[in-house]
Amino acid sequence: GAGVSQSPRYKVAKRGQDVALRCDPISGHVSLFWYQQALGQGPEFLTYFQNEAQLDKSGLPSDRFFAERPEGSVSTLKIQRTQQEDSAVYLCASSLLGMSEGEQFFGPGTRLTVL
Amino acid sequence: KQEVTQIPAALSVPEGENLVLNCSFTDSAIYNLQWFRQDPGKGLTSLLLIQSSQREQTSGRLNASLDKSSGRSTLYIAASQPGDSATYLCAVRTIAGNMLTFGGGTRLMVKP
Repeated sequence: GAGVSQSPRYKVAKRGQDVALRCDPISGHVSLFWYQQALGQGPEFLTYFQNEAQLDKSGLPSDRFFAERPEGSVSTLKIQRTQQEDSAVYLCASSLLGMSEGEQFFGPGTRLTVL
Repeated sequence: KQEVTQIPAALSVPEGENLVLNCSFTDSAIYNLQWFRQDPGKGLTSLLLIQSSQREQTSGRLNASLDKSSGRSTLYIAASQPGDSATYLCAVRTIAGNMLTFGGGTRLMVKP
């Protein structure tokens, strides 16, 4: 595709529900990143994949957060038993090259609101 | 742990002014630094990417500089326009990790 796409764009969940957020990176991009952006703040790193391997998940805030990229392309971020503090915009980014090089291209984000 | 700070947090200027946005970071061991633009309710649009070996990058009315040893970058916007109104974020890619570490952003308002 032309860019990184994410779905849904908006998600409202009741506290305690599970949610799944999808990211379609730019075709052929090796690296995929998830970030969380709270209102009025800069994005914060959650997790990083190189192809299907999850190389860094140090930013995941709790064990309720889980991400996967089973075939090295589409990725899903799952949040179990959502809490109000999970309300944020979840951004996905991809880059063509591996670790050090490569500009990251961002999707439009999924705005999650937990009631 | 890398920390990125952006000053000012908000800026309002009349159309036509030249302006400078500042970004500082604590760990100078970086691969690169990126400046992004974010419009309300939208994702991030990359403006400029400066590799650690470079000192500046230019794109149209935008010029970004990097002084890695002092942990500073500036984004210069020439002849500002109302369409430049947005939040500007800087982010560094630290050698110790693969992720980008972002500053809190500068909210820019350019008044007609």
